[in-house]
Amino acid sequence: DADVTQTPRNRITKTGKRIMLECSQTKGHDRMYWYRQDPGLGLRLIYYSFDVKDINKGEISDGYSVSRQAQAKFSLSLESAIPNQTALYFCATSDLGLDGAETQYFGPGTRLLVL
Amino acid sequence: GQNIDQPTEMTATEGAIVQINCTYQTSGFNGLFWYQQHAGEAPTFLSYNVLDGLEEKGRFSSFLSRSKGYSYLLLKELQMKDSASYLCAAVDSNYQLIWGAGTKLIIKP
Repeated sequence: DADVTQTPRNRITKTGKRIMLECSQTKGHDRMYWYRQDPGLGLRLIYYSFDVKDINKGEISDGYSVSRQAQAKFSLSLESAIPNQTALYFCATSDLGLDGAETQYFGPGTRLLVL
Repeated sequence: GQNIDQPTEMTATEGAIVQINCTYQTSGFNGLFWYQQHAGEAPTFLSYNVLDGLEEKGRFSSFLSRSKGYSYLLLKELQMKDSASYLCAAVDSNYQLIWGAGTKLIIKP
């Protein structure tokens, strides 16, 4: 089974609708992240959470909200979807390794199309 | 501001060697990652460098020069399955990852 899972994998929605993307992990990591990826651009951080009680805005949080329901679950919501939120969304987890590196492990992604 | 630069696209021949460069400007520096991403899939970890020098892992090696703000990923004995995008990401003073846009590597037979 995959260590980091995302649901749904694909979603088509209409402008103005509220949608939620879910992420679950079995890696036991405290830190979780939501990114979006657009063609020709790097991964951009939306929100991140270092533990259940810690939520932080990333580079592009406007129009998004998150919920950290448990160590293993981190959900991303679009309260009122708009077409420029069409993108590939990735959830990631991380933990501090023995070499000091905080390697991030990614879920398979959710492809979102807002019409 | 913080910035990562890497070439948009590169082409190489199966069996050859290719070097993908990355330059970074960040507020503070706590290491550099390389990830591989096949089209439509998740990025997967390749390497992490925090000290100057070359780290070798099989066919892939990664180099870092902190004084020059420069890294490269070296891929040897290229295989068709190496066709993918390669993402460079620098860790800033707040331990946040600053991502480059990725280099799309096309391997030709």
